[in-house]
Amino acid sequence: DTEVTQTPKHLVMGMTNKKSLKCEQHMGHRAMYWYKQKAKKPPELMFVYSYEKLSINESVPSRFSPECPNSSLLNLHLHALQPEDSALYLCASSQGQASSYNEQFFGPGTRLTVL
Amino acid sequence: KQEVTQIPAALSVPEGENLVLNCSFTDSAIYNLQWFRQDPGKGLTSLLLIQSSQREQTSGRLNASLDKSSGRSTLYIAASQPGDSATYLCAVLSGGYQKVTFGTGTKLQVIP
Repeated sequence: DTEVTQTPKHLVMGMTNKKSLKCEQHMGHRAMYWYKQKAKKPPELMFVYSYEKLSINESVPSRFSPECPNSSLLNLHLHALQPEDSALYLCASSQGQASSYNEQFFGPGTRLTVL
Repeated sequence: KQEVTQIPAALSVPEGENLVLNCSFTDSAIYNLQWFRQDPGKGLTSLLLIQSSQREQTSGRLNASLDKSSGRSTLYIAASQPGDSATYLCAVLSGGYQKVTFGTGTKLQVIP
C-alpha cells in the first residue's frame, strides 16, 4: 500500500474559523510533510516531522499549527487564516532515513478556500 | 539555497512524438532527484526516482537521466500520448535528507 490519504478534499472557511486538515499513511514511513501549492506554482515546503518530532518549519505563520499525534497521522490546524492562504495543501511521507532512496509519496491534497 | 529550474515552462506536441523535459539545480550536493506528474487540481504522482549515485532510471516509456556534476536532469518521454498531458515537476532532495525543493514545472500538452 503506497497510499497517502487526506481529508477533507475541499474546505471553505471564514477568517475567524478554526479548522483542521488530516493526513494518514500506513507505509511505516517516519517522515511526514506539509506543502502549500498556489495555482500554477510548484509546491512549497511548510513543515517536516521526523519520528513524530518537528524537524523543519519553513518560517510558516503561527496561524498554521502542525501536529503529529503518531507515526501514521499528521494534522494541520488552521486559525485566523487570510484569503491569501487559499491554496492546495499537500501532505507527503517518506521513509525518513538519511538515504538517497528517500522517496516521497503524496496525498491528493485539500483544496482550501478562505473567505 | 537550492534553486531548481525547469525548461520549457510549457510544451505542446503532436501525439506520437518523443520529447525531453529539462531540470536544472544549483547545488550538486543532492541525495536524489524525483520526477512527478500532476494533473490539474490533483496531488503529485511519483514517476521516477534517481539516487545521487545513479545516472539513469527507466519506467516504461519514461527515461530519466542525472548529471549531478553539471546540475542537470532530463526526462525523456517516448511516443507521447494524450494521456501524458499534465504538469511535470522535478524535485531534489538536498540540504539534509528531508529538504525537498521543487522545480518550476513544465506543462505538457499532447495533441491527438
